Amino acid sequence: AQSVTQLGSHVSVSEGALVLLRCNYSSSVPPYLFWYVQYPNQGLQLLLKYTTGATLVKGINGFEAEFKKSETSFHLTKPSAHMSDAAEYFCAVSRGSGSRLTFGEGTQLTVNP
Amino acid sequence: NAGVTQTPKFRVLKTGQSMTLLCAQDMNHEYMYWYRQDPGMGLRLIHYSVGEGTTAKGEVPDGYNVSRLKKQNFLLGLESAAPSQTSVYFCASSIRNTGELFFGEGSRLTVL
Repeated sequence: AQSVTQLGSHVSVSEGALVLLRCNYSSSVPPYLFWYVQYPNQGLQLLLKYTTGATLVKGINGFEAEFKKSETSFHLTKPSAHMSDAAEYFCAVSRGSGSRLTFGEGTQLTVNP
Repeated sequence: NAGVTQTPKFRVLKTGQSMTLLCAQDMNHEYMYWYRQDPGMGLRLIHYSVGEGTTAKGEVPDGYNVSRLKKQNFLLGLESAAPSQTSVYFCASSIRNTGELFFGEGSRLTVL
């Protein structure tokens, strides 16, 4: 079985500050890892993904995440927050191609002016 | 380019009533999914389909039925709605089961 834990259901940062959203996973096989973003009253959209290869993955809107196998983590970062980054962020894991996604509980990001 | 379209976007039901949510995708995707989103619980998979004419149960299938008669459409039915089914429902599709899902904008259902 696979699972995802997102540390912190709410994160608040100031505009221009570093964004760090934490995600830890458990998987019995090498995982595929994803971050999705949900803006208010919209569906989720893919931010970035890790399948194989380079462990530092870059996504849209300046976000990136690093797969750390030893820490079973896939934290999402952005050097400088913008007001438009305010949204809910979901980490998700699958056991590879052909396996279904398991989502974390989500982290609501607030960006203060 | 519509992507994934869900109808209706809002619905209020009384306990025991039935309804159907319609999902349509125009990307020729093989896989389609229905999720429900509840506060603090993330997204939970209700049912999914790996192709026209096929359906399978997800994590929380009880109280729901689905059909995929056409490749582009995936219907979610509630035969006898219960207050516990108050939620936001999301449909998604993907080319294959790679984890790269395309979501609709959601359907907010309230059961009184």
